[in-house]
Amino acid sequence: RKEVEQDPGPFNVPEGATVAFNCTYSNSASQSFFWYRQDCRKEPKLLMSVYSSGNEDGRFTAQLNRASQYISLLIRDSKLSDSATYLCVVNRGTGNQFYFGTGTSLTVIP
Amino acid sequence: DTEVTQTPKHLVMGMTNKKSLKCEQHMGHRAMYWYKQKAKKPPELMFVYSYEKLSINESVPSRFSPECPNSSLLNLHLHALQPEDSALYLCASSQSTQWTGGGGGEKLFFGSGTQLSVL
Repeated sequence: RKEVEQDPGPFNVPEGATVAFNCTYSNSASQSFFWYRQDCRKEPKLLMSVYSSGNEDGRFTAQLNRASQYISLLIRDSKLSDSATYLCVVNRGTGNQFYFGTGTSLTVIP
Repeated sequence: DTEVTQTPKHLVMGMTNKKSLKCEQHMGHRAMYWYKQKAKKPPELMFVYSYEKLSINESVPSRFSPECPNSSLLNLHLHALQPEDSALYLCASSQSTQWTGGGGGEKLFFGSGTQLSVL
């Protein structure tokens, strides 16, 4: 079983829509969770860390469910500029191993 | 300053060439990484340096040779590469090598990458 699994999509949504991505992880000892955004031919950039209490940054909300071992990202009021690949990243906390999901492709359509 | 700088941005090399990729960070991070990324795939870990010592080598072929001259610099020496090695090579750094209780030390910061083409 893969360490981190994501639905690769693609997700094609109209502007203004709400879209949610989920990610599951296999190791219950995992400690740190992140969402990264990657534009075509660019480096991944940290979008949000994900905390157990849930966290929000503007139109973006991240949730962590430790019992079910999944992480979610909700994007409200989608903008054209949100089009990118969203990578779920998990760190066990016992070393330098960051595990990447396959990424979910989002295209926001005018 | 939350920047990781990589050079060159693009590199084209033949299979007999020797070249080097360079990475620099001035955030005082003690862990540095090399990742390889193919199109439409997630980054794959190649090497990790922790406190300037190689701590992880993900069974990378010897034609890739990492070097960490000091805590701010990371190099990747390339020799006798194959066309299938063409990819985006990403350098990254993180503040510490272990989980710091959610304080942010474990976040990865990436450089802009080197797009490598092997002919």
